[in-house]
Amino acid sequence: DQQVKQNSPSLSVQEGRISILNCDYTNSMFDYFLWYKKYPAEGPTFLISISSIKDKNEDGRFTVFLNKSAKHLSLHIVPSQPGDSAVYFCAASSWGKLQFGAGTQVVVTP
Amino acid sequence: GAGVSQSPRYKVAKRGQDVALRCDPISGHVSLFWYQQALGQGPEFLTYFQNEAQLDKSGLPSDRFFAERPEGSVSTLKIQRTQQEDSAVYLCASSPTGGTEAFFGQGTRLTVV
Repeated sequence: DQQVKQNSPSLSVQEGRISILNCDYTNSMFDYFLWYKKYPAEGPTFLISISSIKDKNEDGRFTVFLNKSAKHLSLHIVPSQPGDSAVYFCAASSWGKLQFGAGTQVVVTP
Repeated sequence: GAGVSQSPRYKVAKRGQDVALRCDPISGHVSLFWYQQALGQGPEFLTYFQNEAQLDKSGLPSDRFFAERPEGSVSTLKIQRTQQEDSAVYLCASSPTGGTEAFFGQGTRLTVV
């Protein structure tokens, strides 16, 4: 069963605008949430994370929001840049084990 | 080295052949994970080590899959009698402690023909 879901397989956004990526989860035991970015032929690269005791974490252009009651988290990238074009994976951790969503392909257009 | 290193980067195996995939984690990282990523999907958990102890192997798809980390550093994922459905990218990740961000290697792309 898929406990972490990214329902949007792709997202196209104009350079300078905001990218919003969404992720839903079903397991209330997850205690840590992460976003990874992946370029072709490379492994996923850690981007930003949030503990389940927080509702927001910000790092430069990247902000992650967590809504525990809705079991939903989102990643905001603002402003979007061409180098942000990649696949973004949402991941959730329970007892040290990460479970990933299927990913969202982001394309930032000039 | 500075990051997680995996070898080989690419492996083509004939069906029925045994393969061994190697992972060198970041020095000093306690936790090590193996994931399998099929095309168009997210990484799927296979197994997890804390030092040399294999704490969770619930994601290994069959008894043909075996992982070890005998000295708590380098790990090997072995697949016996490979099948076509084993074709995937195998990712290794390490973490200073479990539950925080894990750092991934570039992966080994296995193709079974």
